[in-house]
Amino acid sequence: EAGVTQSPTHLIKTRGQQATLRCSPISGHTSVYWYQQALGLGLQFLLWYDEGEERNRGNFPPRFSGRQFPNYSSELNVNALELEDSALYLCASSPGPSEAFFGQGTRLTVV
Amino acid sequence: QKEVEQNSGPLSVPEGAIASLNCTYSDRGSQSFFWYRQYSGKSPELIMFIYSNGDKEDGRFTAQLNKASQYVSLLIRDSQPSDSATYLCAVIKNDMRFGAGTRLTVKP
Repeated sequence: EAGVTQSPTHLIKTRGQQATLRCSPISGHTSVYWYQQALGLGLQFLLWYDEGEERNRGNFPPRFSGRQFPNYSSELNVNALELEDSALYLCASSPGPSEAFFGQGTRLTVV
Repeated sequence: QKEVEQNSGPLSVPEGAIASLNCTYSDRGSQSFFWYRQYSGKSPELIMFIYSNGDKEDGRFTAQLNKASQYVSLLIRDSQPSDSATYLCAVIKNDMRFGAGTRLTVKP
């Protein structure tokens, strides 16, 4: 069974640009979580999607947004990139309010 | 008050010893509790989950939950150098929130 896949693995953007990160959940999982992990820090909750709807978002500015598609895949968009947005972005999928499984992450570097 | 709190460590134990990792959470409505392990440069991997008060054992790992005290712990018996990693506590009420993690070093 395929795990959670994220693309791209690495992404380099210039300050002010937009970044789009993608996540394909494990088959049968309807929930997708997005987290930001800056270097040496913990996982900061960004967004939670379930059954195609945004269920909750963390304490991030509106330029962080996303969506979940009918096939439960998801994308995270970051507009007007700032240097401090450089981090590992992790996606996790879950079949419900239970254990979540992570993808390998997308390393975003803003220069 | 943070939603999920862990001692950042580092926690250092000798090989073969018991490592004890602790976590507290603020929301009494929290329903499910998880421990993840994260090696440097890698994504977190699930070690254990626990939903009910008491102990749950899986091999060398034991998770303990005390909802009255809002406390979750992870014991690692016979610690090995390969257990050296950051251990993340996670809690679900609606969405899943993580603590900052405890860095564990097991010395040969």
